[in-house]
Amino acid sequence: EAQVTQNPRYLITVTGKKLTVTCSQNMNHEYMSWYRQDPGLGLRQIYYSMNVEVTDKGDVPEGYKVSRKEKRNFPLILESPSPNQTSLYFCASSLREGYGYTFGSGTRLTVV
Amino acid sequence: AQRVTQPEKLLSVFKGAPVELKCNYSYSGSPELFWYVQYSRQRLQLLLRHISRESIKGFTADLNKGETSFHLKKPFAQEEDSAMYYCALSGRGLTGGGNKLTFGTGTQLKVEL
Repeated sequence: EAQVTQNPRYLITVTGKKLTVTCSQNMNHEYMSWYRQDPGLGLRQIYYSMNVEVTDKGDVPEGYKVSRKEKRNFPLILESPSPNQTSLYFCASSLREGYGYTFGSGTRLTVV
Repeated sequence: AQRVTQPEKLLSVFKGAPVELKCNYSYSGSPELFWYVQYSRQRLQLLLRHISRESIKGFTADLNKGETSFHLKKPFAQEEDSAMYYCALSGRGLTGGGNKLTFGTGTQLKVEL
């Protein structure tokens, strides 16, 4: 089944403890992207990638890192999480421009 | 910079009434616009792409470049249409890369019996 898979689905962690949220797609898509969703703010883009080893900042990149070493994987790294990064995170992938993105099920992160 | 504005946070209509969810955009190039839907506790799903000019679940949207709008419409609302709807624009990123998708803040549609 064609899909975008994120792990974990839920995560509660403490301030400052490095974490990684994984994202994998099996559709051979060129583009991948990370968003955070917060009440009243909609979805805001964190980073996106146009292909292997090619990434670009989105609208809210501070406090996050990404890497695209393989086409199928696009992990999101929080080196030192803070409570203001508590949010619902979505990974998405797209075949090419104009096709739209396919979204994962989301990762609900709580930083205490 | 690209921007998408959805002026209504909540739209409540009765079943069978027409629905129009507003979306305005700001973009210097030629935009690619989309509507996404998110049902309660589910992932976002692509509803419409303006380039395909399709009708999905009875919804349509027309790109009006003069008014920079891409409003979503449905002639008769159904209870199962209740969801959060996001308008999105695909444009260029900071380094010129394409397919950077920017979302509006969303409109919650509530269809009442």
